[in-house]
Amino acid sequence: NAGVTQTPKFRVLKTGQSMTLLCAQDMNHEYMYWYRQDPGMGLRLIHYSVGEGTTAKGEVPDGYNVSRLKKQNFLLGLESAAPSQTSVYFCASFPLGGTPLAEQFFGPGTRLTVL
Amino acid sequence: QQQVKQSPQSLIVQKGGIPIINCAYENTAFDYFPWYQQFPGKGPALLIAIRPDVSEKKEGRFTISFNKSAKQFSLHIMDSQPGDSATYFCAASRGATYKYIFGTGTRLKVLA
Repeated sequence: NAGVTQTPKFRVLKTGQSMTLLCAQDMNHEYMYWYRQDPGMGLRLIHYSVGEGTTAKGEVPDGYNVSRLKKQNFLLGLESAAPSQTSVYFCASFPLGGTPLAEQFFGPGTRLTVL
Repeated sequence: QQQVKQSPQSLIVQKGGIPIINCAYENTAFDYFPWYQQFPGKGPALLIAIRPDVSEKKEGRFTISFNKSAKQFSLHIMDSQPGDSATYFCAASRGATYKYIFGTGTRLKVLA
């Protein structure tokens, strides 16, 4: 039981390049989330999904796209990377019908640098 | 309306001290208030959480105090230990999708 895993752990891109971050969870959770973490700004929600085939925008969705083709995977894409997207990206998952005090489980993060 | 304001930004205490981290929110529709703990290089992990119908919740050395009328909540760490040194985030969410709005984080250092 690996929980939430993220691939890759580190990546350096040049401005304008594209890439996809992969999040995988083996807990059969319905809900999945992508956050970015920047110094002094906490974690901000980029996109989220409440089930396979569904996605929705969070606080800071511009410049990102997502897909949830399989329940266990949530992909975050950057079509044309910009230096402002340099950040640490976290994926999280949450069970449908979780108790009111249930936990979002976070992955270990992907550190992305855009030059 | 959607912000969660967290203070202080950083905190240093001696071992055995009681650090207190405060958060304030504006949206009265928030109905779930978790605290997450994050160690360097790791993802955040749930520490303790509270619903607004409760004024205090204690789990081990960690206590949340919740003041609904003031729209504030705080985390107290009793008998703090060097192993508690981490960054702490408060958060708030509303409804069944559990989309969190996080505070900006407090970096806590507990001196041995």
